Amino acid sequence: AQTVTQSQPEMSVQEAETVTLSCTYDTSESNYYLFWYKQPPSRQMILVIRQEAYKQQNATENRFSVNFQKAAKSFSLKISDSQLGDTAMYFCASGAGSYQLTFGKGTKLSVIP
Amino acid sequence: SAVISQKPSRDICQRGTSLTIQCQVDSQVTMMFWYRQQPGQSLTLIATANQGSEATYESGFVIDKFPISRPNLTFSTLTVSNMSPEDSSIYLCSAIPGTGAYEQYFGPGTRLTVT
Repeated sequence: AQTVTQSQPEMSVQEAETVTLSCTYDTSESNYYLFWYKQPPSRQMILVIRQEAYKQQNATENRFSVNFQKAAKSFSLKISDSQLGDTAMYFCASGAGSYQLTFGKGTKLSVIP
Repeated sequence: SAVISQKPSRDICQRGTSLTIQCQVDSQVTMMFWYRQQPGQSLTLIATANQGSEATYESGFVIDKFPISRPNLTFSTLTVSNMSPEDSSIYLCSAIPGTGAYEQYFGPGTRLTVT
């Protein structure tokens, strides 16, 4: 079984600043994937970034990057140069084996102009 | 990636009735899933929709309440049966485009309100 924990229910950041969202996970699988999804008020779930557990290099997608600490089972998301459009719920998720995803409870991020 | 549409986008239904939600993918996909998201909550997996066979349900969800069909590799339906106000939620479908990948792409969701 997998568990995903997001310990920050809400966060805020000033526009153009940098913010880091935390996520820890637990899994017995040796091969697994980690994801961050964004859900704006429109409720569309959008894939932000993915990380394969076997890769040591941290994934990066434009202003979004992760800090993947495998031994600590930590997978944080860094958003640089925050924009108003980044305001959303952010969900951390893990997947393995059966292709099912396990989601954390989410972090509500507000970007303040 | 995959582009996924859902119909209806929202509905208001009366207690005791049923609603069928459709999920259409723009390309053939290997796996499809149905989730429920209650207000302000995370996503809970209802079932994996298997093409040509019965869906695989998660603990707490049963076929009589949430019958699922998947007649081909691009389409699935979820029916919410004998609805009660507790079924008021957002229902999302998702898909994995190919083998060896785990990222799921989501539809826009169906907001269901039961009165």
